[in-house]
Amino acid sequence: TQLLEQSPQFLSIQEGENLTVYCNSSSVFSSLQWYRQEPGEGPVLLVTVVTGGEVKKLKRLTFQFGDARKDSSLHITAAQPGDTGLYLCAGVKGFKTIFGAGTRLFVKA
Amino acid sequence: GAVVSQHPSWVICKSGTSVKIECRSLDFQATTMFWYRQFPKQSLMLMATSNEGSKATYEQGVEKDKFLINHASLTLSTLTVTSAHPEDSSFYICSAPTSEPYEQYFGPGTRLTVT
Repeated sequence: TQLLEQSPQFLSIQEGENLTVYCNSSSVFSSLQWYRQEPGEGPVLLVTVVTGGEVKKLKRLTFQFGDARKDSSLHITAAQPGDTGLYLCAGVKGFKTIFGAGTRLFVKA
Repeated sequence: GAVVSQHPSWVICKSGTSVKIECRSLDFQATTMFWYRQFPKQSLMLMATSNEGSKATYEQGVEKDKFLINHASLTLSTLTVTSAHPEDSSFYICSAPTSEPYEQYFGPGTRLTVT
């Protein structure tokens, strides 16, 4: 069974704090994606990382793909209430996408 | 990015009736689409893979006779919830992948409430 473990499952922080979300697997992925979902809406693709060790930045969000392409992290700097939502990582292997269980982030003003 | 639409965005139906949900890829073609179910405050649960021109592939525990999937064209997949019951009430989301790179794009979801 290919699992993509995501942690933490829930995170409640104050505005301005930093946080990191992790996705780990024993499987090697050809690429990995991060999504953000707000209540009542579908997930929105934030980034795709493809190369081992790749780092991508999206404003205050930094995404990293592990050297072995088995894990990834999402770091948010100076979190804002607008960052509140469900963050999902998804590993791609062939034509199969495996989703993590999600991290529910709540940023308090 | 690619755009996927879903219709309707919400629907209320009576127990025993059937409901059809449409998923369309608006600016790209998709030979495969995916249907998910999401319960409150939980992650996505893959229900089935919709294959254009052939039968859908259902995940373990998903009743194929209850959740009918049709993928008649490269831009449209439909999910029909047959003989709906209150326990079928949920948030249903579809996705379609682009090929290069292989990325899933999600529809906005359909909130189904069965009374």
